[in-house]
Amino acid sequence: GENVEQHPSTLSVQEGDSAVIKCTYSDSASNYFPWYKQELGKGPQLIIDIRSNVGEKKDQRIAVTLNKTAKHFSLHITETQPEDSAVYFCAAPYLWPMNYGGSQGNLIFGKGTKLSVKP
Amino acid sequence: GAVVSQHPSRVICKSGTSVKIECRSLDFQATTMFWYRQFPKQSLMLMATSNEGSKATYEQGVEKDKFLINHASLTLSTLTVTSAHPEDSSFYICSADTGTSGRGDTQYFGPGTRLTVL
Repeated sequence: GENVEQHPSTLSVQEGDSAVIKCTYSDSASNYFPWYKQELGKGPQLIIDIRSNVGEKKDQRIAVTLNKTAKHFSLHITETQPEDSAVYFCAAPYLWPMNYGGSQGNLIFGKGTKLSVKP
Repeated sequence: GAVVSQHPSRVICKSGTSVKIECRSLDFQATTMFWYRQFPKQSLMLMATSNEGSKATYEQGVEKDKFLINHASLTLSTLTVTSAHPEDSSFYICSADTGTSGRGDTQYFGPGTRLTVL
């Protein structure tokens, strides 16, 4: 099955600096890697994702890079702002066969990174 | 993006009672929905995978008779915590898969339900 490891568990940066969170996965067949942001008392929000046919994807101040050979992917946040403070989770898919011949999947999550952006 | 709602957002109940939590996909149909439990400062723990019209698939260690899941339509799944006890107090989050492949990778999450059992 899939195993996802996430580092660091906590990250503190100064406003305006960049933040990088890294995840590794174990299943070489995995082909989809989302990142979620969770604010206190709320559900996780999908902020960016990447599929295995590309190596990098950007959305304004957020980018995700993927290295399939090394089986790791990273979240990059540039020009951090206090509102970026939250817990960030990476995830990778896990598929298993069903009796009817199809497959069912879910996401395996990393343990999370608490990002604090100091004004 | 896809919107998933949960109701109620918070619930306080007495020990021994049952609590029902609803999860709805508002602007898409979800063949598959997932139920997670999250303890403070921890990651999401998958409880069960819910497929419309069929029985839910529970993760190892999750009591199916205690956590009843019903996925009666493509936009609604419910989780009922039966005979709740204080140790069931937690943050329960649902998600819905926007894809049709059954891979469960394109998940959007609800806002969560904080359950407190007295």
